[in-house]
Amino acid sequence: DQQVKQNSPSLSVQEGRISILNCDYTNSMFDYFLWYKKYPAEGPTFLISISSIKDKNEDGRFTVFLNKSAKHLSLHIVPSQPGDSAVYFCAASASRNAGNMLTFGGGTRLMVKP
Amino acid sequence: DAGVTQSPTHLIKTRGQHVTLRCSPISGHKSVSWYQQVLGQGPQFIFQYYEKEERGRGNFPDRFSARQFPNYSSELNVNALLLGDSALYLCASTRGAGAYNEQFFGPGTRLTVL
Repeated sequence: DQQVKQNSPSLSVQEGRISILNCDYTNSMFDYFLWYKKYPAEGPTFLISISSIKDKNEDGRFTVFLNKSAKHLSLHIVPSQPGDSAVYFCAASASRNAGNMLTFGGGTRLMVKP
Repeated sequence: DAGVTQSPTHLIKTRGQHVTLRCSPISGHKSVSWYQQVLGQGPQFIFQYYEKEERGRGNFPDRFSARQFPNYSSELNVNALLLGDSALYLCASTRGAGAYNEQFFGPGTRLTVL
């Protein structure tokens, strides 16, 4: 069963507008959430994270929102730029585990049109 | 500073063969994790090693094994290859072992099993 789901495989947005990427999770043990960006032929690159003690974290054009009761998080990119075109992965981990295993969603391909 | 490096970049094997993939972490990082990314899906956790000891193991068969060396580099071994093992194998390094350590990914090794 998929513990982290990204239900939109792709998203197309006009340059300068807002991009909203969504992610749902089922495992109540998850308390740390991350977004990664992946370009072709490269490994995923960390974007932004949020701990379950917060409901919002902001870093420049990127903001992540966490709704624990709905087990839902979203990544907002404002304003979107053509260079943001990539595959975005949502990931989750449980901090009480001894390790740092990440559970990833299936990814959303974002295309920002000039 | 060099990032995470992986070798080889690409590999083609036939069913039943054995493969060894290699990863060198960022200097100063003591933990290495391995992930498998099948086309169209998110990365799936295979192993984590910290200070040469296994810290976590994902839901993979015993055909998959790994080890970490005194210099913190790591090998992933897969025996009796199946067609379904065709994937991008990603290595990630972190300074420490816990959940809040940022994971830096290498570019991956693309394995094709014929």
